Amino acid sequence: DVKVTQSSRYLVKRTGEKVFLECVQDMDHENMFWYRQDPGLGLRLIYFSYDVKMKEKGDIPEGYSVSREKKERFSLILESASTNQTSMYLCASSLYSNTGELFFGEGSRLTVL
Amino acid sequence: AQTVTQSQPEMSVQEAETVTLSCTYDTSESDYYLFWYKQPPSRQMILVIRQEAYKQQNATENRFSVNFQKAAKSFSLKISDSQLGDAAMYFCAYRSPNTGGFKTIFGAGTRLFVKA
Repeated sequence: DVKVTQSSRYLVKRTGEKVFLECVQDMDHENMFWYRQDPGLGLRLIYFSYDVKMKEKGDIPEGYSVSREKKERFSLILESASTNQTSMYLCASSLYSNTGELFFGEGSRLTVL
Repeated sequence: AQTVTQSQPEMSVQEAETVTLSCTYDTSESDYYLFWYKQPPSRQMILVIRQEAYKQQNATENRFSVNFQKAAKSFSLKISDSQLGDAAMYFCAYRSPNTGGFKTIFGAGTRLFVKA
């Protein structure tokens, strides 16, 4: 089975702190994604990566950056956390194919005080 | 831009009964994929069912089936013989291989409650 692991299930940070959310997948998937999930808004794409060191902005990249130094690892970085970034963050991966099924991690719930 | 709309924020169903979750989407593409994902409480999201737009036959996975109406841009999910374990958030999603790279677009979700 595909396993996507997010390093932290729950985080509490203060405004202005730098936050790292880590995601690792074990199925050699080319594509990796970071989504933000908010009630009533569904999932919105922050960034995605289709190869090592490659990244593309999603729909809401402002205030975020990403890093993909190794194929299996995709990190989301909040350079200076703000209260409006309090949310659930979901990492996902998929094969480089047209079928497009996403495999998700369990999510990281971030609270910024 | 493509959009996905789920008009039912919440639904409830009696155990063993059938429930249908609605989803509509907007696209100018002819080649795309549609998905229903399930997110149980405090657990990871998983794929329930997938439909390729070029296939006229509705997809079925055990108790889960879809009603895919391409002209109407409608993609509903039917859950038969509902079980307590079906209680979850359900997300309808769209992906086109031709535009937006590999981006998957999600609806706002429908929370399904199952009553014993």
